[in-house]
Parts: sequence; structure tokens; C-alpha cells
Amino acid sequence: GQQVMQIPQYQHVQEGEDFTTYCNSSTTLSNIQWYKQRPGGHPVFLIQLVKSGEVKKQKRLTFQFGEAKKNSSLHITATQTTDVGTYFCAGNSGNTPLVFGKGTRLSVIA
Amino acid sequence: DGGITQSPKYLFRKEGQNVTLSCEQNLNHDAMYWYRQDPGQGLRLIYYSQIVNDFQKGDIAEGYSVSREKKESFPLTVTSAQKNPTAFYLCASSRAGGSHQETQYFGPGTRLLVL
Repeated sequence: GQQVMQIPQYQHVQEGEDFTTYCNSSTTLSNIQWYKQRPGGHPVFLIQLVKSGEVKKQKRLTFQFGEAKKNSSLHITATQTTDVGTYFCAGNSGNTPLVFGKGTRLSVIA
Repeated sequence: DGGITQSPKYLFRKEGQNVTLSCEQNLNHDAMYWYRQDPGQGLRLIYYSQIVNDFQKGDIAEGYSVSREKKESFPLTVTSAQKNPTAFYLCASSRAGGSHQETQYFGPGTRLLVL
């Protein structure tokens, strides 16, 4: 079945440093979505990418979808303590349900 | 105030007992989903329903059952056949039942502890 791999599993950064998490799929994706889960909370939708090579920005967050639609990345510039949480990518092919990656847990040291 | 509610927030049960987790949404969404979250495992799909009176097994359906008698409700029963039921259970919904590309909105989750 479809698999979505996400790395790294954990990332500890100093406040102000940049952070990137990567997502790779075993199959070509129809779309990829990114979610953020704060400690003790539930996942909250951040963004969706559907086009090959697509790049979207939300303030300090930059999301990319690979040309082959098999990989994606989330980059945070100048991390802040409010960025702490686990970031999940999720994708699907055709009419299959979303498959979530295992997430990258981000810790920010002030 | 629209959203998804899950109750209770914490649930304790003795081993061998069935337990039902509630999920209600007033977003008028067609599709609803149940996920299980374990530390380091991400979100794993248990069951999903794209329309009332219909549901499909996800990746880890064994030991679980669901019903979808009403559009706004999708309860999950954790049966005694589930070998490791202790986990964080998340319910989600999305607008269109025919497409899995829609944004999913998650409830606050239920933490189940089986002793």
C-alpha cells in the first residue's frame, strides 16, 4: 500500500534557527497536505499543495511540492517558541484515503 | 459554534470490556474518519465513512467497529478483540464524501487507557 515517510523524527533548534521537515511518498500523489499538532492538542490543517513544483508561503513557513509529486518539504525560517509541535504531512493517490507520515516533532530552545 | 466534539476527553476501562467513543460534528460534512495515534507512529486510519449508512475499513480496523446512522455522528467501539487499545483516538471530518483531497478537521481527541 501507499507509504508516506517523513524525516527527521525529531528536531531540536535554537530559537531563530531555521527548520525543515521532508516528506517522501512511494507513489505519485494527487495532493499533499500539512498539519500541525501542538503538544497535548489535535492536528490542525496548515496547507494543501496539488500542482507539480508548487511553492506556497505562509509568513515564515514555506511549503514545496516536488516536480514528480512524490516529495514535499516544509521550511520554517527563524523559528519561534510558538512553532513548537509536531508537523505531519499527508497525501493520497486517486481516491484513496489520506496517508499520514509519522511526523516531525520540533522543539525550540529559547 | 461549529466544530467536532469528542467525548470523553479521558476514558479508563478494564481489559476485556468494550468501550464506545463519541464523535459529533455540526459542520454538515459528509465524510468522517477515525484515527489512532501512538507515540512515534503518526496517525493511522481505523475506519472512515464517506456517506451516511456506509463505512470502510482503514489500515488498522481489526478489533474496532463503527456505525454511521446519522450524518453528524460516527461513534467508534473498541472491542475486547483489540489487543492494544490504549492510545489517543482522533476523529476527523471533511466536506465532500467523494474526495479524500478535502481538508480534514479534527476533534480534540479521546485518550483511552485500558488497565
